[in-house]
Amino acid sequence: GAVVSQHPSWVICKSGTSVKIECRSLDFQATTMFWYRQFPKQSLMLMATSNEGSKATYEQGVEKDKFLINHASLTLSTLTVTSAHPEDSSFYICSAREVYEQFFGPGTRLTVL
Amino acid sequence: GEDVEQSLFLSVREGDSSVINCTYTDSSSTYLYWYKQEPGAGLQLLTYIFSNMDMKQDQRLTVLLNKKDKHLSLRIADTQTGDSAIYFCAESKNNNDMRFGAGTRLTVKP
Repeated sequence: GAVVSQHPSWVICKSGTSVKIECRSLDFQATTMFWYRQFPKQSLMLMATSNEGSKATYEQGVEKDKFLINHASLTLSTLTVTSAHPEDSSFYICSAREVYEQFFGPGTRLTVL
Repeated sequence: GEDVEQSLFLSVREGDSSVINCTYTDSSSTYLYWYKQEPGAGLQLLTYIFSNMDMKQDQRLTVLLNKKDKHLSLRIADTQTGDSAIYFCAESKNNNDMRFGAGTRLTVKP
């Protein structure tokens, strides 16, 4: 199947700093990518839908100024957590859509101290 | 809003069959999925079924869909210790807006 990578796989940062997470589709082009957040022992929560060349569509309750999404090419979407705080600590997972399937990245664990 | 529900835990013995159940509320769901998540990892698509199908089989995996009752199940035959993971049920209308269940933690005992 298609492969989606995320970088970094984990990151620890100080409160107030910004963190960028990359999501790449390695062997296919994805006009649509998705960003999810997963809390411990809970399901995935869709944060936003990222469309190549246009603004991301954010789910209700997700602050677009805090979670900046850029989808500059058909194989790369980035999520920047701005001015991160401890409550932003979570597992962030991206996915990329190819026809009928969404392929998920391995996730990025963010810990904000 | 629309919900996807799963039981949180399932424990089976190695070699037995596992059945993980899922119910959903959106009758217009078109795609239904089963994902597997191992500790600290992302989601791996196991299988999916279109809403116009009743059953899909892929090696040890059998998916049953009862559209009338909005009930989806995943049967894993001859369950192995390597099958221990969290299994997520998900549904969508258009493969864009996916809604996930909370996940069922499958524990396989030797």
